[in-house]
Amino acid sequence: GQNIDQPTEMTATEGAIVQINCTYQTSGFNGLFWYQQHAGEAPTFLSYNVLDGLEEKGRFSSFLSRSKGYSYLLLKELQMKDSASYLCAGTPGTYKYIFGTGTRLKVLA
Amino acid sequence: SAVISQKPSRDICQRGTSLTIQCQVDSQVTMMFWYRQQPGQSLTLIATANQGSEATYESGFVIDKFPISRPNLTFSTLTVSNMSPEDSSIYLCSSWINEKLFFGSGTQLSVL
Repeated sequence: GQNIDQPTEMTATEGAIVQINCTYQTSGFNGLFWYQQHAGEAPTFLSYNVLDGLEEKGRFSSFLSRSKGYSYLLLKELQMKDSASYLCAGTPGTYKYIFGTGTRLKVLA
Repeated sequence: SAVISQKPSRDICQRGTSLTIQCQVDSQVTMMFWYRQQPGQSLTLIATANQGSEATYESGFVIDKFPISRPNLTFSTLTVSNMSPEDSSIYLCSSWINEKLFFGSGTQLSVL
């Protein structure tokens, strides 16, 4: 199978920078996506990487290394509203997504 | 982006009954997907709903338990049949649009 692993929980302080890691088996994924999900709401798209390297989008950046089966989501200038779950997901060459276990981020004042 | 409307947003059901969840997309899409998210868990794909053919189910999910309809390119339904408390979960429809997956607002189902 294709497992995607993330830390279960993380805590950071308002204004800080936090990096959420995602590791996966190297075979078969054509892209790596990041979603944000607030409690009681549906996931919303944040960013995706198809090629190796860093994609920057405002306060959020995502990095991918396909050879290492590794991605991270970097959140800068943390705000209280960033408290949410962050899900990474891989696409195994079809239209299906396989989601990781999700990381619950708590931002403290 | 796309607008995906899902209803009901929540329901409380009795054991042994069935619930049909509706999903409407504001544009024509080839593929729609149904996910389940159990409390505190990530998303698990139930099935892929294609217009004009039977849904494709993932391992652990069967048509008798989760029948799906896809009558046209903007609409799909998922029925949770003969419910038990273990079916209590959030059910999400989604669609692949512009190389991204968009989600409906979800249906919070509680089975007593």
